[in-house]
Amino acid sequence: GQNIDQPTEMTATEGAIVQINCTYQTSGFNGLFWYQQHAGEAPTFLSYNVLDGLEEKGRFSSFLSRSKGYSYLLLKELQMKDSASYLCAVSGNSGYSTLTFGKGTMLLVSP
Amino acid sequence: GAVVSQHPSRVICKSGTSVKIECRSLDFQATTMFWYRQFPKQSLMLMATSNEGSKATYEQGVEKDKFLINHASLTLSTLTVTSAHPEDSSFYICSARGQGTDTQYFGPGTRLTVL
Repeated sequence: GQNIDQPTEMTATEGAIVQINCTYQTSGFNGLFWYQQHAGEAPTFLSYNVLDGLEEKGRFSSFLSRSKGYSYLLLKELQMKDSASYLCAVSGNSGYSTLTFGKGTMLLVSP
Repeated sequence: GAVVSQHPSRVICKSGTSVKIECRSLDFQATTMFWYRQFPKQSLMLMATSNEGSKATYEQGVEKDKFLINHASLTLSTLTVTSAHPEDSSFYICSARGQGTDTQYFGPGTRLTVL
């Protein structure tokens, strides 16, 4: 089966750094995605980790440890527009691998 | 690149009618398209996986006769909600994936309200 856990809500201040954790237990694993979803909109792709380590892309970085079943998304220099839900999703290892999504972490950035 | 469009963005229909939602990959060929449903404050739930030219694979609990999926070309998939009921009201989102990649790109979603 697939089980993906991430915190339900987080709050942070504009300009700060926040880390959103995700742990997973899945029957297959190809890689791990992070998506950002604003209210009423579809998810937008942020990052994809296949190998262990940190991937940095501008203000956003994503880390993966396959042995620990753990990932985090790091957001630096927070802006008000970063207030959104952040979805952790795991890709399975079948030929037509599907994504299993966590329930999302609602991040609220305050002034 | 990797733009996916979805039409319509919003639809309101009467109970018992059918609604068709289109999903298009605009700048790449989508060998696989996915249809998700999202209820308020919940995560995306995969409904079905659609490969061009073949029948869709439905997730457990999703009625294939109620949610008809067609993937006739490498850039277009459609989802038809047949005999819609108020409990079908939800946010329907498609995603598309090209060959040899694991990344799914999402359409903007369709908000369906069944009265």
